[in-house]
Amino acid sequence: DTGVSQDPRHKITKRGQNVTFRCDPISEHNRLYWYRQTLGQGPEFLTYFQNEAQLEKSRLLSDRFSAERPKGSFSTLEIQRTEQGDSAMYLCASSLVGGGSYNEQFFGPGTRLTVL
Amino acid sequence: GEDVEQSLFLSVREGDSSVINCTYTDSSSTYLYWYKQEPGAGLQLLTYIFSNMDMKQDQRLTVLLNKKDKHLSLRIADTQTGDSAIYFCALSGGSYIPTFGRGTSLIVHP
Repeated sequence: DTGVSQDPRHKITKRGQNVTFRCDPISEHNRLYWYRQTLGQGPEFLTYFQNEAQLEKSRLLSDRFSAERPKGSFSTLEIQRTEQGDSAMYLCASSLVGGGSYNEQFFGPGTRLTVL
Repeated sequence: GEDVEQSLFLSVREGDSSVINCTYTDSSSTYLYWYKQEPGAGLQLLTYIFSNMDMKQDQRLTVLLNKKDKHLSLRIADTQTGDSAIYFCALSGGSYIPTFGRGTSLIVHP
């Protein structure tokens, strides 16, 4: 397995447009997380899935944001009506919870979004 | 919520030891982590410590936890230029969702 992958790596869009990002986790991992990281800050939690169920959402996840993990494998994060304040790096991570494993999160390289 | 504070920059000479410090407010955190982020790459978990431990050593890395002062540190022995990166302190409870500090940029010069 090559680790967590994210697509695209970079996205430039105009304010008001919709964007969608994809994350492919490590194949046997049952948890998938989305974070946002702005310049000079640490990652901030947005939401996570256990299998296909979205179990927690941060208050940072406004109603313009929606995330899905339809078959418990890859996930998509959509931002509707983008604003300049949405410009950030969007990070995905996956982990294996249960079965005696520690739940180490493995991060993807991120998708850098620039909203003009 | 949890507040996690780190100094923003640390500059060391190659071969010296680096010590990166972190303070936090929530004493109920169960797991305390150190992550490394290199330019253009995702975060990499370097090491973690349980809240019932005082110290953990892993090759060149030593983690010290002072629960009374809510202080976590990461010592890198024999720092190399390849250690130049941003280091994040993070804490979590039973949900395993970490709260990150702002990161410390470690600059290693010859």
